[in-house]
Amino acid sequence: KNEVEQSPQNLTAQEGEFITINCSYSVGISALHWLQQHPGGGIVSLFMLSSGKKKHGRLIATINIQEKHSSLHITASHPRDSAVYICAVSPKPNTGNQFYFGTGTSLTVIP
Amino acid sequence: GAGVSQTPSNKVTEKGKYVELRCDPISGHTALYWYRQSLGQGPEFLIYFQGTGAADDSGLPNDRFFAVRPEGSVSTLKIQRTERGDSAVYLCASSLGQGRALAGGISTDTQYFGPGTRLTVL
Repeated sequence: KNEVEQSPQNLTAQEGEFITINCSYSVGISALHWLQQHPGGGIVSLFMLSSGKKKHGRLIATINIQEKHSSLHITASHPRDSAVYICAVSPKPNTGNQFYFGTGTSLTVIP
Repeated sequence: GAGVSQTPSNKVTEKGKYVELRCDPISGHTALYWYRQSLGQGPEFLIYFQGTGAADDSGLPNDRFFAVRPEGSVSTLKIQRTERGDSAVYLCASSLGQGRALAGGISTDTQYFGPGTRLTVL
């Protein structure tokens, strides 16, 4: 079973486009994380959300706890945004403090 | 400051051999996690340490996999009798641990990931 589902799996966009990546989950959570992974690189934490919306530069993350859904938006996309974006949730209760991960969305932004 | 480091960055080995992968967490982080990421997949949880003890090892796929953290800092993931299916990127992450809040509003649930070790079993 997959506790976390992401869509789309792959996404190609032109530079400047507005991008949305979706994440749905099926378990109770204490927090949801959006992570970024560049090819050959480690994983960087972008956002941690438990409610509402957060913004950092051109990135915006929203979460709807009732609908168990989160979105990551990128405004004015740029080729350097090309990476894999991973949604992960901290389940509640969380005796092991572990994550459930989505399989990621591979984003390519073309100049 | 220094982040999570992992060594080696790449490891190529032959089927049946023994390998050790090392993780140096951020200083002061009591929690340490190991994940495995196969090509095209999201990370898969393996084991979680709180201090020196394995608080949750439910993700270890079989008894060929073992991890230690003898002094509550550096951790070593050990794989015996490697198989081709073990080929993956092995990720380590650390966090301050539950019940503590950092300055700046960052929760202790935030995990900081290392760059990973790419293991290839031929």
